[in-house]
Amino acid sequence: AQKVTQAQTEISVVEKEDVTLDCVYETRDTTYYLFWYKQPPSGELVFLIRRNSFDEQNEISGRYSWNFQKSTSSFNFTITASQVVDSAVYFCALSEEGGGADGLTFGKGTHLIIQP
Amino acid sequence: DSGVTQTPKHLITATGQRVTLRCSPRSGDLSVYWYQQSLDQGLQFLIQYYNGEERAKGNILERFSAQQFPDLHSELNLSSLELGDSALYFCASSIRDRGLFHEQYFGPGTRLTVT
Repeated sequence: AQKVTQAQTEISVVEKEDVTLDCVYETRDTTYYLFWYKQPPSGELVFLIRRNSFDEQNEISGRYSWNFQKSTSSFNFTITASQVVDSAVYFCALSEEGGGADGLTFGKGTHLIIQP
Repeated sequence: DSGVTQTPKHLITATGQRVTLRCSPRSGDLSVYWYQQSLDQGLQFLIQYYNGEERAKGNILERFSAQQFPDLHSELNLSSLELGDSALYFCASSIRDRGLFHEQYFGPGTRLTVT
């Protein structure tokens, strides 16, 4: 069975600090997909990134970067020079290729608080 | 704005009642997914439809059912409601062609309160 663990329930940092959100996953499939979503206080879920299991290249998008390591089953998310607008709950999610079902398995989320 | 619409935004009803939540996917997306977000269970996948056919079931209760219509909009029916069904219900959509996997885009959610 697939599982996603976000061990950090809440992180609080001061603006401009760098912060890393951890995500560890479990799956038996060799082909799977990993995601990060952001849920701001307004409640919607905003897609941030998708990573395929066969592509271990790290990705950077502005102040956001993602580190995918199959050897440790981790897909960590770093925000550089954090801003107050980054305050939100961040979810890591997993979907396996096998079976044709695409429902995402989400972690419990990390509540990120950026203080001014 | 993800392009996925959900109605209503808020719904307050009593125990034992039945409600219907509606979702319109992004233009061109064939797959629709329903998720439930509650404080104790977190975000859980309920069910997926692809081009009108049920594709996969997650942790969906027997009291809940869904369907996807020819115009690809979807409805989630919740019956014999209990206090524990109070949650935020999300609809998501993706292209999901055979052999390809695409990210899911989420609607704004319907907040259901059962009193």
